[in-house]
Amino acid sequence: DAGITQSPRYKITETGRQVTLMCHQTWSHSYMFWYRQDLGHGLRLIYYSAAADITDKGEVPDGYVVSRSKTENFPLTLESATRSQTSVYFCASANDRPNSPLHFGNGTRLTVT
Amino acid sequence: GENVEQHPSTLSVQEGDSAVIKCTYSDSASNYFPWYKQELGKGPQLIIDIRSNVGEKKDQRIAVTLNKTAKHFSLHITETQPEDSAVYFCAVMGRRALTFGSGTRLQVQP
Repeated sequence: DAGITQSPRYKITETGRQVTLMCHQTWSHSYMFWYRQDLGHGLRLIYYSAAADITDKGEVPDGYVVSRSKTENFPLTLESATRSQTSVYFCASANDRPNSPLHFGNGTRLTVT
Repeated sequence: GENVEQHPSTLSVQEGDSAVIKCTYSDSASNYFPWYKQELGKGPQLIIDIRSNVGEKKDQRIAVTLNKTAKHFSLHITETQPEDSAVYFCAVMGRRALTFGSGTRLQVQP
């Protein structure tokens, strides 16, 4: 049972570079989400997807792009990384509706220098 | 959008004591209230959830209570053990997805 996997676990990049964080789930869950976790802010929603080819903005979408061409993958791209995007990023999935339990990956720690 | 406040931010208890974490929310239409536990280096994991048609739910040493009129809900952990040490997040279902509280770091002292 692979579940939901994120890669890489750790990433260091420079300001202005493009970075893509990967997320893959093996359950065929309809819903997928990207959250960022920062001290004092908990988890904040960046983008979410209700199904393949359907995505929508969350609370903090600026500077991020997502795509969902296949149900199992939901990559997050930082088009031009900034220091304020240094964070831990979590991908999650949910089965048939957004208020069913979320299953989280183990996160990607991104540092932008 | 939904606003969720969580208190306290840190909590230290002796092993065997009880721990209570509280959350308040703003949208009276919210109807789903889960709690997540996050251990170091891992993603959050659901430990218990409650829906708005229920006032209390228990699962062994963990319970959640919901007061929809006052718009607050609480996590209760009884007979705490060292393995309960972690960060706990409350969450509320908003219009599109879960909105999380800022987290409570629980430390259980042996």
